[in-house]
Amino acid sequence: GAGVSQSPSNKVTEKGKDVELRCDPISGHTALYWYRQSLGQGLEFLIYFQGNSAPDKSGLPSDRFSAERTGGSVSTLTIQRTQQEDSAVYLCASSLGGDRVAGYTFGSGTRLTVV
Amino acid sequence: AQSVSQHNHHVILSEAASLELGCNYSYGGTVNLFWYVQYPGQHLQLLLKYFSGDPLVKGIKGFEAEFIKSKFSFNLRKPSVQWSDTAEYFCAVKPAGGSYIPTFGRGTSLIVHP
Repeated sequence: GAGVSQSPSNKVTEKGKDVELRCDPISGHTALYWYRQSLGQGLEFLIYFQGNSAPDKSGLPSDRFSAERTGGSVSTLTIQRTQQEDSAVYLCASSLGGDRVAGYTFGSGTRLTVV
Repeated sequence: AQSVSQHNHHVILSEAASLELGCNYSYGGTVNLFWYVQYPGQHLQLLLKYFSGDPLVKGIKGFEAEFIKSKFSFNLRKPSVQWSDTAEYFCAVKPAGGSYIPTFGRGTSLIVHP
């Protein structure tokens, strides 16, 4: 597609439930990033996929968070047993990989509210 | 690992005022630098970037930024702001080359009064 697509745009869930957030990157972008944006906290890196390499999971805040990327394209971020502190906007970005990166294209994000 | 510091968290200006938003980073090697803007209700968009060459970079909508290597800075400037520049501005840094992860600053909220 023309841009990075994220779904759902908004998600309200009860504490303790699992949620799945989806990201569809720009076709041909081999690099995919998940960030979390909390009010006044800027962008917090979560996980990075580059081609077929093992993902960099160093930013995941706990083992309740996981992500996968199927076929080098669509990515799903899963949060298990959601907590209120998980409430934030989850952003996905994609780019050309490695030395070819010229910028990052962001999706509109998924606003997650845990009640 | 690199880090980014944006000293101004909130800036309020009147239209036609000049703007300078500070961005400092910590990383000893060669870097790629970016400024992103997020208008209310919209997604993050690239304003400008520096990879190499002329340290004064021109971006969209009249913005520019200057890379000063000795000061580890990449400040964003605009000579005359407009009400439509009201937005959140994020500075980002990435080690040059290879597959590195960009680090973003906390952002600066700019409000421009008409």
